[in-house]
Amino acid sequence: GAVVSQHPSRVICKSGTSVKIECRSLDFQATTMFWYRQFPKKSLMLMATSNEGSKATYEQGVEKDKFLINHASLTLSTLTVTSAHPEDSSFYICSARETGDTEAFFGQGTRLTVV
Amino acid sequence: GQNIDQPTEMTATEGAIVQINCTYQTSGFNGLFWYQQHAGEAPTFLSYNVLDGLEEKGRFSSFLSRSKGYSYLLLKELQMKDSASYLCAVMDSNYQLIWGAGTKLIIKP
Repeated sequence: GAVVSQHPSRVICKSGTSVKIECRSLDFQATTMFWYRQFPKKSLMLMATSNEGSKATYEQGVEKDKFLINHASLTLSTLTVTSAHPEDSSFYICSARETGDTEAFFGQGTRLTVV
Repeated sequence: GQNIDQPTEMTATEGAIVQINCTYQTSGFNGLFWYQQHAGEAPTFLSYNVLDGLEEKGRFSSFLSRSKGYSYLLLKELQMKDSASYLCAVMDSNYQLIWGAGTKLIIKP
């Protein structure tokens, strides 16, 4: 299957700082990327959908100014958590899909801890 | 609204068979996925059904009935490493994945 690489796998940051998470499709062109957040023992919560070259579409309740998503190329999307607070601590997962494909491939996830 | 229902938790014995059910109500249907997720890890793909019937893949099988809005994941010859959460997800008419809350499967020796 296709490979999606997400980096970093774990990050600890101080409250008030910003953290960038990268999601790369290694062997296919990801025209659509999805960013999810997962709380402990909960299912995946879709945060936003991004299509290459256009602005991300955010789900209701997700602050676009806090969770900045950039999908500037067909192989890279980034999620920046700005002015992070302890309540932003969570597991963030990206997935990527190629045009015409129904299956999306997941990155390894990023465990963010804000202290 | 859109809704995916699956049991919260199930327990089974090593070597046995377990069936995890999923019922859905979504705006449109472009396929149903099953994912396995171990604690602290991203989900991994198990199966995809878009037509009615049973898809078998080794120890795992997945069944779909579109008219009933129903699917199940069947796991045979259970192993301890099968202890994980199993997520049912439906792709709606906008090709967005709608996720169930997941079923935590506990395997006992």
